[in-house]
Amino acid sequence: GAVVSQHPSRVICKSGTSVKIECRSLDFQATTMFWYRQFPKQSLMLMATSNEGSKATYEQGVEKDKFLINHASLTLSTLTVTSAHPEDSSFYICSARDRGPIGYTFGSGTRLTVV
Amino acid sequence: AQSVTQLDSQVPVFEEAPVELRCNYSSSVSVYLFWYVQYPNQGLQLLLKYLSGSTLVESINGFEAEFNKSQTSFHLRKPSVHISDTAEYFCAVSETGGSYIPTFGRGTSLIVHP
Repeated sequence: GAVVSQHPSRVICKSGTSVKIECRSLDFQATTMFWYRQFPKQSLMLMATSNEGSKATYEQGVEKDKFLINHASLTLSTLTVTSAHPEDSSFYICSARDRGPIGYTFGSGTRLTVV
Repeated sequence: AQSVTQLDSQVPVFEEAPVELRCNYSSSVSVYLFWYVQYPNQGLQLLLKYLSGSTLVESINGFEAEFNKSQTSFHLRKPSVHISDTAEYFCAVSETGGSYIPTFGRGTSLIVHP
């Protein structure tokens, strides 16, 4: 089946630094990938839709300059949290469409802790 | 716009007992419905989905869900749970003919006690 690999699984960084999270589709091409943020005991909040070769589409309230998304190839999308602050600490999950418009495969998530 | 309501934030149950996790949705158009399971510090795994046809859908590990259009519900059930079923369960809805991007409910934490 379709596999989405997300790295790193955990990262701790100092306040003010930037962190890059990678999301790769291993056995299929993903023209569209999605980035979610999940707070403890809460649902997934869609942050942005990443389209290969074009600018990402951000959801209302998500800071584009803080959460930089790059989708340079059909198998890789990256999320960079710039100038991270403790309030950015969260669980970030990516997903990719793998089977038509309704087939979604999720990565294993990244636990970001900003100290 | 679609929305999903999971009525129970937490459902404790004893091993081998039956369980039902409730999900109601709201949409002005036809929908696809999904249940996902999330284990601690992991991503989401698709448990089952309703696209069309039979309103009762089943997963390979004994879960089933029934699409009820009149009650706009898609409750998840299992007749006998195991300790290993302890996880977070998310109901999601996707509108047909639109972007198909799913909207997730807040999740229900299923806690199975020995």
